[in-house]
Amino acid sequence: GENVEQHPSTLSVQEGDSAVIKCTYSDSASNYFPWYKQELGKGPQLIIDIRSNVGEKKDQRIAVTLNKTAKHFSLHITETQPEDSAVYFCAAEKGAQKLVFGQGTRLTINP
Amino acid sequence: SQTIHQWPATLVQPVGSPLSLECTVEGTSNPNLYWYRQAAGRGLQLLFYSVGIGQISSEVPQNLSASRPQDRQFILSSKKLLLSDSGFYLCAGEQYFGPGTRLTVT
Repeated sequence: GENVEQHPSTLSVQEGDSAVIKCTYSDSASNYFPWYKQELGKGPQLIIDIRSNVGEKKDQRIAVTLNKTAKHFSLHITETQPEDSAVYFCAAEKGAQKLVFGQGTRLTINP
Repeated sequence: SQTIHQWPATLVQPVGSPLSLECTVEGTSNPNLYWYRQAAGRGLQLLFYSVGIGQISSEVPQNLSASRPQDRQFILSSKKLLLSDSGFYLCAGEQYFGPGTRLTVT
């Protein structure tokens, strides 16, 4: 079955700098890769996603890149702000529509 | 897009008591629905998923069960709670999560 590895587990950056979180997946048949942001005590919120027919997708300060050959995908947050502090999860999905999640990254933005 | 509703937001129950958490979905018909549990500071563990009314798949053996009595309703239950059932329970559709229920078993 699918296995998703996420790194780093914690990340601390200065406000205004960029943050990058990376995930690898094992099943080459996976074709959908969402990213979630989870604030304390709340459910995860979908922030961006990418499908396997696209190599990059951007939404304002957030971008996701996908390398199908290497089976990895990354979340890039530019011009970070204090409200970006949260736990971020990547996930991968095959046609059966069951998401497999990474272990999460706790991102802290230092003012 | 989907909207996932869950209640209650928090729940404190004694060991041995029953449990019923309800999840309802707006925005799509015949959605795939999922129950996850999240321990403090940990990742998401898939407990059950359902592709339709009366269709439940269990991912891990445990003290919990799930039911799908209606297309847009998904229920997580237990007959007798254990201390280890404490956690943050999340209902989800194919892309979106509900707000979660924090369960504390005392």
